[in-house]
Amino acid sequence: GAVVSQHPSRVICKSGTSVKIECRSLDFQATTMFWYRQFPKQSLMLMATSNEGSKATYEQGVEKDKFLINHASLTLSTLTVTSAHPEDSSFYICSASQSSPSTDTQYFGPGTRLTVL
Amino acid sequence: QKEVEQNSGPLSVPEGAIASLNCTYSDRGSQSFFWYRQYSGKSPELIMFIYSNGDKEDGRFTAQLNKASQYVSLLIRDSQPSDSATYLCAVNSGNYGQNFVFGPGTRLSVLP
Repeated sequence: GAVVSQHPSRVICKSGTSVKIECRSLDFQATTMFWYRQFPKQSLMLMATSNEGSKATYEQGVEKDKFLINHASLTLSTLTVTSAHPEDSSFYICSASQSSPSTDTQYFGPGTRLTVL
Repeated sequence: QKEVEQNSGPLSVPEGAIASLNCTYSDRGSQSFFWYRQYSGKSPELIMFIYSNGDKEDGRFTAQLNKASQYVSLLIRDSQPSDSATYLCAVNSGNYGQNFVFGPGTRLSVLP
């Protein structure tokens, strides 16, 4: 149980284009989903937290107009990188949580490797 | 600022030995504690979680929690080369997963 999928697993795009990444919880309802970014040999960096049906909460320094997050259902959240630039190239990872006192564990998706040319 | 600290390593142990990974946290109100393993180029995968003081065992893994000392550890018995990875400690001080803080990770290398 507790499987989270991400699509696509890898994407290469030209500078200036937008890229959408989907995160799905396959066998549980995720009240909360998290989006992380990880550069090579660095730690996970939390970008934003999204709760189903409400606006995402962004971490300091993360541009909400550049990284659009939608959490329209209990099983799907999307991250759209708008007008991507080479410095946005990174490993983007989502996680999902049932977010109750007894089940607050975060389960991670397999990640999406974004390369912006 | 809630902080979770880990020794970055690398921690090198011979195959078959016990690997001991340590983590300290700053928020005394933290309620749940997690260990994740991350292989290079992959996303983190959950190894185990612990909520209460004491030990929790799952196969070759044992998590130990001491809330008074604000310390959580992970022991890996009979270490295998396949255990070589970065181990992330995570601490949740909120009720609904909203205050999840990850440590920087400890890189473990198990030498054959």
